[in-house]
Amino acid sequence: DIVLTQTPLSLPVTPGEPASISCRSSQSLLDSDDENTYLDWYLQKPGQSPQLLLYAVSYRASGVPGRFSGSGSDTDFTLRISRVEAEDAGVYYCMQRLEFPSCSFGQGTKLEI
Amino acid sequence: EVQLVQSGAEVKKPGESLKISCQGSEDTFSKYWIDWVRQMPGNGLEWMGIIFPTDSDTRYSPAFQGHVTISADKSISTAYLQWSSLAASDTAIYYCARRLSAEAEDSFDLWGQGTLVTVSS
Repeated sequence: DIVLTQTPLSLPVTPGEPASISCRSSQSLLDSDDENTYLDWYLQKPGQSPQLLLYAVSYRASGVPGRFSGSGSDTDFTLRISRVEAEDAGVYYCMQRLEFPSCSFGQGTKLEI
Repeated sequence: EVQLVQSGAEVKKPGESLKISCQGSEDTFSKYWIDWVRQMPGNGLEWMGIIFPTDSDTRYSPAFQGHVTISADKSISTAYLQWSSLAASDTAIYYCARRLSAEAEDSFDLWGQGTLVTVSS
């Protein structure tokens, strides 16, 4: 089983400041057949369902603001918010889906503003 | 607006059966896979399983295989998650979500609002 480990688990930030969250995988998420990396990021705002932020490491989902970006490769990935806004509060999850249909999530990082 | 609409909250006793639902559009249920994800109180997200409503191809996470049943009725664009005998440890919010394919660009792009299941004696 692929295990994702996020750090930190809690991240207090001030509006306007940057923030970054790390996600480390127990094995490479690179599919050597198609050369894609199957790592996504989700945000679950308080009392809401999760919403897709980024897919395949760095591609923003429809409607996601440009202040969100993703980077990384193989086993180490980072979500960055260039300037945090109040509406960004919630729990951020990384998710891997290397071997369809199975997927697994990191423990979540609570962004506190 | 494209949505996945889930059935309402349930309160059950241990040992009881339950079937919750997730309804979407005809387009969603003819093209997309529908996944189920569990979120236990105060915890993170766990993938349970998936179904392709067009042909009812169903797969389960080993952690949930044998404990839940996933099904779908494409004619009414509805997917189901059911238990034959609930336990207190099944208390959680259950989400349905859709994804188009196994491709890198196709992650969970739409989620239901969640169904809270409470199992207590």
